[in-house]
Amino acid sequence: GAGVSQSPSNKVTEKGKDVELRCDPISGHTALYWYRQSLGQGLEFLIYFQGNSAPDKSGLPSDRFSAERTGGSVSTLTIQRTQQEDSAVYLCASRSTGAGEQFFGPGTRLTVL
Amino acid sequence: GDSVTQMEGPVTLSEEAFLTINCTYTATGYPSLFWYVQYPGEGLQLLLKATKADDKGSNKGFEATYRKETTSFHLEKGSVQVSDSAVYFCALSDRVQGAQKLVFGQGTRLTINP
Repeated sequence: GAGVSQSPSNKVTEKGKDVELRCDPISGHTALYWYRQSLGQGLEFLIYFQGNSAPDKSGLPSDRFSAERTGGSVSTLTIQRTQQEDSAVYLCASRSTGAGEQFFGPGTRLTVL
Repeated sequence: GDSVTQMEGPVTLSEEAFLTINCTYTATGYPSLFWYVQYPGEGLQLLLKATKADDKGSNKGFEATYRKETTSFHLEKGSVQVSDSAVYFCALSDRVQGAQKLVFGQGTRLTINP
């Protein structure tokens, strides 16, 4: 079946604008993760969803960042009032129940001008 | 908190050379350990993993052994190929409350010359 997909693949925005990044996990995967890959910080965890439980938001860098997961499937990461330091590749991963592997999407490259 | 430190790159080798990329970790409890690879223009892929001490993960000729006494998970390959050129990430999985969030090292860029 299809892997994790993300859209858009590239996004260029102006400082201060809001952006939405989308992730379609592998069908049936209950766990969904967002990570950020940037030159200065490497790969860092942002947020985790598991089924209908409250998400683990411990990695979100500021209150400008939020995410939701609708119907236990698609997830949207929203960044409000973008700043230049938000420029990074945003990666989504999903995992089936249990101690399974996390499968990563191709990422969305965000550039804030 | 948990952390992963891996050998800084870039690393450049000739084809058929022996490869070692060092990785050490700091964690409470007993995490699972992983090596992920990112080929040019592609997403992160799991290369191998080990879930408990003394386990050896292996895939595509790569191996890594979970060493609890030295808190290490070094990646090795006996004879590298040009197609192994990629960025390699060591990671651990925080299993607190079953979240299994990944904590990554900084990544090591490997270039293999023919």
